[in-house]
Amino acid sequence: GAGVSQSPRYKVAKRGQDVALRCDPISGHVSLFWYQQALGQGPEFLTYFQNEAQLDKSGLPSDRFFAERPEGSVSTLKIQRTQQEDSAVYLCASSFGQFSNQPQHFGDGTRLSIL
Amino acid sequence: AQTVTQSQPEMSVQEAETVTLSCTYDTSESDYYLFWYKQPPSRQMILVIRQEAYKQQNATENRFSVNFQKAAKSFSLKISDSQLGDAAMYFCALGPDKLIFGTGTRLQVFP
Repeated sequence: GAGVSQSPRYKVAKRGQDVALRCDPISGHVSLFWYQQALGQGPEFLTYFQNEAQLDKSGLPSDRFFAERPEGSVSTLKIQRTQQEDSAVYLCASSFGQFSNQPQHFGDGTRLSIL
Repeated sequence: AQTVTQSQPEMSVQEAETVTLSCTYDTSESDYYLFWYKQPPSRQMILVIRQEAYKQQNATENRFSVNFQKAAKSFSLKISDSQLGDAAMYFCALGPDKLIFGTGTRLQVFP
């Protein structure tokens, strides 16, 4: 595709429900990143994949958060037993190579609201 | 720990004028990258400009340029000939891989 695609664009869930957010990176992009952006704040790093390998998950706030990229392309961020503090925009970004000088291209994000 | 600080929550500029957005950072790494991203209400982060720390020359992209002061750990963004379409949130970020973002500066452009 032309850019990073995220779905759904909006998600409303009740506290305690599980949610899954999808990211389709730009075709051929090796690296994939997830960020969480709270209202009025800058994005905060959650996790990073190189192909199917999750190289860094230091930003995941709790063990309720889980991310996967099983075939090295599409990635899913899953949040179990959602809490109100999980309400945020979740941004996905991808970059071409495995080298750090490649710029990250962002999707439009998924706005998650927990009631 | 790596940090990025943007001390200007909001800035405004008149169309065709010049505005400078400030950013300071802290890192113990010797090899790093600095970025300015623009985020319009549509939410998509758009890369405006980037600077490699090992390069002394300031990066320039058309109307956008940076003033990179490595010793002072300062990385400001200058927007020349401001246009209405420049209105957005601007985030300074520290890389290279997992990006550390500042809290952003909201730029308003008045006709």
